[in-house]
Amino acid sequence: QVQLVQSGAEVKKPGASVRVSCKASGYTFTAYDINWVRQAPGQGLEWMGWMSPDTGATGYAPRFKGRVTMTRDTSISTAYMELSSLTSDDTAIYYCTSNKPSTGDFDSWGLGTLITVSS
Amino acid sequence: QAVLTQPSSLSASPGASASLTCTLRSGINVASYNIYWFKQKPGSPPQYLLRYKSDSDKRQGSGVPSRFSGSKAASANAGILLISGLQSEDEADYYCMIWLSSFWVFGGGTKLTVL
Repeated sequence: QVQLVQSGAEVKKPGASVRVSCKASGYTFTAYDINWVRQAPGQGLEWMGWMSPDTGATGYAPRFKGRVTMTRDTSISTAYMELSSLTSDDTAIYYCTSNKPSTGDFDSWGLGTLITVSS
Repeated sequence: QAVLTQPSSLSASPGASASLTCTLRSGINVASYNIYWFKQKPGSPPQYLLRYKSDSDKRQGSGVPSRFSGSKAASANAGILLISGLQSEDEADYYCMIWLSSFWVFGGGTKLTVL
């Protein structure tokens, strides 16, 4: 079955960067896009961007452009999301989700990674 | 004005039906868009429910009961998630989503209480 296993929770200081990983199994990694969605405490879902593991193409939400980088390592079926210049507003659960390209059929989700930004 | 507006909360009784609305901002015609719906329970990631564009162009998520269905209200420029035969496990947050100008956009979510 499809599984997306994310890296563990982290605590970061303001101004630092964080990299979250998302290891895929149960399907052909390069056949599906990976999207990243975050959720601040008590808040709704916020889409951050997408990446094609096949081509490496990316698209980022305007509010994260310049601060987020999505990459992948196809040899280990793992996607990465790096967010820089962290502030307390970036404290959130970060989810990866896979979808058929050009669709919003986010059928599979990771369990989420809690990133806490605190001095 | 937000791209997608959802009522913050809705209550309904077990066994009844609930219609959750997702209103598109003026100028964004609901007829042209796939509306995606997700369900999220506390402490869990979102779950994909369905996609709805029209009665002839829709997709149900794997394992999602048929009592979850989508529709549109053109006069209100809104997508609708209809849940029939409400059960206690339907109590959750529900989010809609569309693809707009090369970005995915979520609505603010509706907290559905079944009581």
